[in-house]
Amino acid sequence: EIVLTQSPGTLSLSPGERATLSCRASQSVSSNYLAWYQQKPGQAPRLLIYGASSRATGIPDRFSGSGSGTDFTLTIGRLEPEDFALYYCQHYGNSLFTFGPGTKVEIK
Amino acid sequence: QLQLQESGSGLVKSAETLSLTCTVSGVSMRDNSYYWGWIRQSPGKGLEWIGSIYYSGSTYYNPSLKSRVTISVDTSKNHFSLNLNSVTAADTAVYFCARQIERSGWSPVACFDSWGQGTLVTVSS
Repeated sequence: EIVLTQSPGTLSLSPGERATLSCRASQSVSSNYLAWYQQKPGQAPRLLIYGASSRATGIPDRFSGSGSGTDFTLTIGRLEPEDFALYYCQHYGNSLFTFGPGTKVEIK
Repeated sequence: QLQLQESGSGLVKSAETLSLTCTVSGVSMRDNSYYWGWIRQSPGKGLEWIGSIYYSGSTYYNPSLKSRVTISVDTSKNHFSLNLNSVTAADTAVYFCARQIERSGWSPVACFDSWGQGTLVTVSS
């Protein structure tokens, strides 16, 4: 089973700053099957990025995804107040979906 | 507009069966581009995929839960259901249903693009 590790656990930034979130897989994975979600308290996760780098419908272009192999990155270009939330990466492989433990982006 | 809504018992006794239904509106589950999935979230384990089903009834499950899980679909009612038996306190979680996409254009993908609001299920002793 592939294990996803996310870092940092918490990212403290100010609005307008750039956020860089990391997701590392325990072994090389297909970029097609790497996704990112945003979750706010009391809400369901929202799909941001699929296929490692494709934005989901309605997602602002300040969100971008990149990476391949074992290392993937979610970048938020300039943080808006509504971007402070939890972020999860997710992988699919061998008929199994797995999620990372999440990165919390909080207001500094 | 696609909407998913979970329903079912919010309190289940230990060793009994958790039963939830996800009602889909705005799209027919017979659309063969999608699977439909259950995911849960507990403070101790984060997000955990439980299993997924196609409108035809084809299923696949998380191996860690497979022995206790059954997911079924009723396309006439446009809903799918989750049964988890022999529950323990470790099954206490918010349970989400979601639409699972398998393809974007010509490229295979696998992720969940629309989610229900989630329902809290507490297992009591």
